[in-house]
Amino acid sequence: GAGVSQSPRYKVAKRGQDVALRCDPISGHVSLFWYQQALGQGPEFLTYFQNEAQLDKSGLPSDRFFAERPEGSVSTLKIQRTQQEDSAVYLCASSLESQGYTFGSGTRLTVV
Amino acid sequence: GQNIDQPTEMTATEGAIVQINCTYQTSGFNGLFWYQQHAGEAPTFLSYNVLDGLEEKGRFSSFLSRSKGYSYLLLKELQMKDSASYLCAVRANDYKLSFGAGTTVTVRA
Repeated sequence: GAGVSQSPRYKVAKRGQDVALRCDPISGHVSLFWYQQALGQGPEFLTYFQNEAQLDKSGLPSDRFFAERPEGSVSTLKIQRTQQEDSAVYLCASSLESQGYTFGSGTRLTVV
Repeated sequence: GQNIDQPTEMTATEGAIVQINCTYQTSGFNGLFWYQQHAGEAPTFLSYNVLDGLEEKGRFSSFLSRSKGYSYLLLKELQMKDSASYLCAVRANDYKLSFGAGTTVTVRA
């Protein structure tokens, strides 16, 4: 597609529920990033893929967070046993070369 | 770690100029980015600086001084649609962007 597409746009989860967030990057983009953005804050790095390889997962806040990109295109960020502190906007970005990062509109996760 | 500072809020009048400053202390440097983010929307790319100096793109300009760890984004001829959050981001290595908390700019008529 023309841009980075994320779904769902909004997700309400009960505490303890598992969620899966999807990112469709721009076709052909090798690099894919996940960021977490709390209200009133800048995005915080979670993880980075180059094709299907997860090269950096240093920003994942706990072992409840897991990301995959099995075929080097679509990526899924999974959060197990959601907690209230997981409430945030989860942004996906993709990049072909090192200069341009295109962000999706994000998934707003609310844990109740 | 990375430390990126920018003012929380700024207010300006339509047609005026606003300068958003960003200072950074990072473990490496491989470029500085400015993004615009309207509420509930994706951050959109505004500018990229990797060498010292001024980059001009229409109404928006960005300046970088690597020795001072300092950048600014200059918005000229402000329009109401420029009301948004402006994010300063530093790339310290080959790929990872570290963001400041963002500066909310409000343009008043």
